[in-house]
Amino acid sequence: AAGVIQSPRHLIKEKRETATLKCYPIPRHDTVYWYQQGPGQDPQFLISFYEKMQSDKGSIPDRFSAQQFSDYHSELNMSSLELGDSALYFCASSSIADWRADTQYFGPGTRLTVL
Amino acid sequence: ILNVEQSPQSLHVQEGDSTNFTCSFPSSNFYALHWYRWETAKSPEALFVMTLNGDEKKKGRISATLNTKEGYSYLYIKGSQPEDSATYLCALFYNQGGKLIFGQGTELSVKP
Repeated sequence: AAGVIQSPRHLIKEKRETATLKCYPIPRHDTVYWYQQGPGQDPQFLISFYEKMQSDKGSIPDRFSAQQFSDYHSELNMSSLELGDSALYFCASSSIADWRADTQYFGPGTRLTVL
Repeated sequence: ILNVEQSPQSLHVQEGDSTNFTCSFPSSNFYALHWYRWETAKSPEALFVMTLNGDEKKKGRISATLNTKEGYSYLYIKGSQPEDSATYLCALFYNQGGKLIFGQGTELSVKP
């Protein structure tokens, strides 16, 4: 079965650079979530989109922005990178039509390292 | 601030032992609880979604119960095997289409 695809899997950037992370949800899933997991920490919710509109916002820095496109894929744009942005970034997708019985399916994550 | 607590933080058992972990959460405005199994270098794998007080779910040797009135869920693994070694994450869903709020996870290590 198709799963959530994230690219790239690994990314190394310098401080103050920009990074773009991509997420391709499971086919027919209309909701995308982004989570950030720092070293030794729980995953923290960043932002979510339903039908290309932002549906919820968490602890996402102003330097980050995200959007969901017409094909439901999502991109997380991160500018002026800081050392503290080094983390594992997960994307998850779900179908809002059946959110109670369904669940959020996670991608493999993108490991971002800021040097 | 919504807080999800899991205990213990880590657990080391021998193959064949049965184990259980706890997930505690504020019981107000509860919608759903998710259990995920997360192996190193892989993405979290959904185990259960539980919504009703008294829910009991089972998948093979793994089962879970839910008490929304007192705000806790238990995850049980019967006859642990080395392949059960992973981090088990509990996450709460407080509103439709909303975010998951994760606990810190219980790291299980099963020795042959």
